[in-house]
Amino acid sequence: GENVEQHPSTLSVQEGDSAVIKCTYSDSASNYFPWYKQELGKRPQLIIDIRSNVGEKKDQRIAVTLNKTAKHFSLHITETQPEDSAVYFCAASLPNFGNEKLTFGTGTRLTIIP
Amino acid sequence: EAGVTQSPTHLIKTRGQQATLRCSPISGHTSVYWYQQALGLGLQFLLWYDEGEERNRGNFPPRFSGRQFPNYSSELNVNALELEDSALYLCAGLAGGPGEQYFGPGTRLTVT
Repeated sequence: GENVEQHPSTLSVQEGDSAVIKCTYSDSASNYFPWYKQELGKRPQLIIDIRSNVGEKKDQRIAVTLNKTAKHFSLHITETQPEDSAVYFCAASLPNFGNEKLTFGTGTRLTIIP
Repeated sequence: EAGVTQSPTHLIKTRGQQATLRCSPISGHTSVYWYQQALGLGLQFLLWYDEGEERNRGNFPPRFSGRQFPNYSSELNVNALELEDSALYLCAGLAGGPGEQYFGPGTRLTVT
């Protein structure tokens, strides 16, 4: 089955600087890669996703890049703010009748230092 | 529009007992996914239900089971509870766009 590795497990960034979280996946057939943000005590929420037919997607301060050849994708957060502090999970899904099974990475705890 | 709901919020059981957790997806979402999130760990896929059928399950023993009702709500049952079953159990519904899952607030199960 699919295996997703996520690095780093913890990341501290000065407010205003950029943060980058990287994930690799094992199954080259995976075609959907979402990123979820989970604030303390709250539910995970989708912040951005990318499909295998594009290499980059951007939404304001957040961007995701995908390298299908290397089987890795990354989350980039620019101009970080205190409210960006949370645990971020990447995930990958195989194209089997839609996205019925997401394999998640182990998470990155991002701390923004004011 | 109401979001995904789960009940109960907290559940305390003793080892060997059974636990039943419930989830109601957003109206119009026919798929329900269950995940286990142990303390400090990531999200582990448990089960996927769609149109009342179990479509896929993760690497969990058979004592984890569930069902989906005609109104698309779902129930997760955990039999013969073990201490390591203590975790946050999250359910998620599939939105209109393929792949985007909306999570409920979770049920925190504590096994003593």
